[in-house]
Amino acid sequence: DIQMTQSPSSLSASVGDRVTITCRASQNINSCLNWYQQQPGRAPKLLIYSASNLQSGVPSRFTGSGSGTDFTLTISSLQPGDFATYYCQQSCGTPPNTFGQGTMLEIK
Amino acid sequence: EVQLLESGGGLVQPGGSLRLSCAASGFIFNNYAMSWVRQAPGKGLEWVSAISGSGDNTYYANSVKGRFTISRDTSKNTLYLQMNSLRAEDTAVYYCVKEPVAVGPGWFDPWGQGTQVTVSS
Repeated sequence: DIQMTQSPSSLSASVGDRVTITCRASQNINSCLNWYQQQPGRAPKLLIYSASNLQSGVPSRFTGSGSGTDFTLTISSLQPGDFATYYCQQSCGTPPNTFGQGTMLEIK
Repeated sequence: EVQLLESGGGLVQPGGSLRLSCAASGFIFNNYAMSWVRQAPGKGLEWVSAISGSGDNTYYANSVKGRFTISRDTSKNTLYLQMNSLRAEDTAVYYCVKEPVAVGPGWFDPWGQGTQVTVSS
């Protein structure tokens, strides 16, 4: 199975900061990488699909990049509603569609 | 609007069974693969099982293989997860998710609100 490793596991930042979360796959997954945001007590929400495509309705301050094994999610200017947990997920080949362990973004 | 509504969760003893349902609306149900994803208390997301749009192909995480069965009923626009031989480690919120194509894998959007399954004596 393909393993996904996110870093950091947690991150403290302030409103207006630019933050970057990384996700590394254990093997080449081309651009089969998706990002989700989960607010406490809520279901996850798709932010980015296929590495760099912004899901409809998601603010443009979220950008995804990368291919192969290394990917990043960047939030250009943090807003109060962005403090949440972020997960990457690979969707290449046959399942399992493994998730990273998550990155908790907290207010500094 | 695409909507997914899970039901069937609850408290069950170890070794017991439970069937989860996910009522889908707002899209042509058999045109899309569907999956179940779970989240144990305080933990991350774990993909559990997937089924193709036709229902011909099913996939399972190693942790549930042989105990869980995914199925779908096109006439009712409903996805199911039959869970047998439940263990304490199956305790989680279970989410129903839609995939973007008939035969996955793909990204998950949208997600249902989740249904809580608690396995405890």
